[in-house]
Amino acid sequence: SYELTQPPSVSVSPGQTARITCSGDALPKKYVYWYQQKSGQAPVLVMYEDSKRPSGIPERFSGSSSGTMATLTISGAQVEDEADYYCYSTDSSKGVFGGGTKLTVL
Amino acid sequence: EVQLVESGGVLVKPGGSLRLSCTASGFTFSNAWMSWVRQAPGKGLEWVGRIKSRTDGGTTDYAAPVKGRFTISRDDSKNTLYLQMNSLKTEDTAVYHCTTEAKSGTSFWINYWGQGTLVTVSS
Repeated sequence: SYELTQPPSVSVSPGQTARITCSGDALPKKYVYWYQQKSGQAPVLVMYEDSKRPSGIPERFSGSSSGTMATLTISGAQVEDEADYYCYSTDSSKGVFGGGTKLTVL
Repeated sequence: EVQLVESGGVLVKPGGSLRLSCTASGFTFSNAWMSWVRQAPGKGLEWVGRIKSRTDGGTTDYAAPVKGRFTISRDDSKNTLYLQMNSLKTEDTAVYHCTTEAKSGTSFWINYWGQGTLVTVSS
């Protein structure tokens, strides 16, 4: 079955740039979407179609994709960005999530 | 405002059955592709399955771990989505989220989430 691979954790200090990667064989042909999930809350879409930011998402969030790897970048990470981040894509007609990355900002 | 409210989560024994419901409001439910996503305690998100709108065929797709055991259906007259779960296993223990799917061309993604309902499978 198709898999998306993320690092389990990323840690940065406030104001630094955080980069969260997502790799998958089909990514050259498929868009990636990114979700942020804070503790006890439902996920929120923070990036769609690789690099498009939904309204209401701060400009410090950006996305890119090249080959088999997509990257979510948080430039000048804030303490409030601490959360779990999941990439999402599709395999045939099914949705697939990455395993998630816990971002620590401290 | 889009609202998705799940219900029906309880403690059930392995091998048992359960039906979850999701009541939707704030959008045209009959036009929406709807899906279920689950999250086991302390674990990541897992896509469970989807039902397309009736105008797009009303067909369903399922993730491999639940195919043949779970059935997604919808009642557009009641703005309600269902998840019938049979032959439940301990590994089905999770919070089940009702979600809407957006689509563009051949891409689709989850754009709205409910808060979820907890299903516990244990003897």
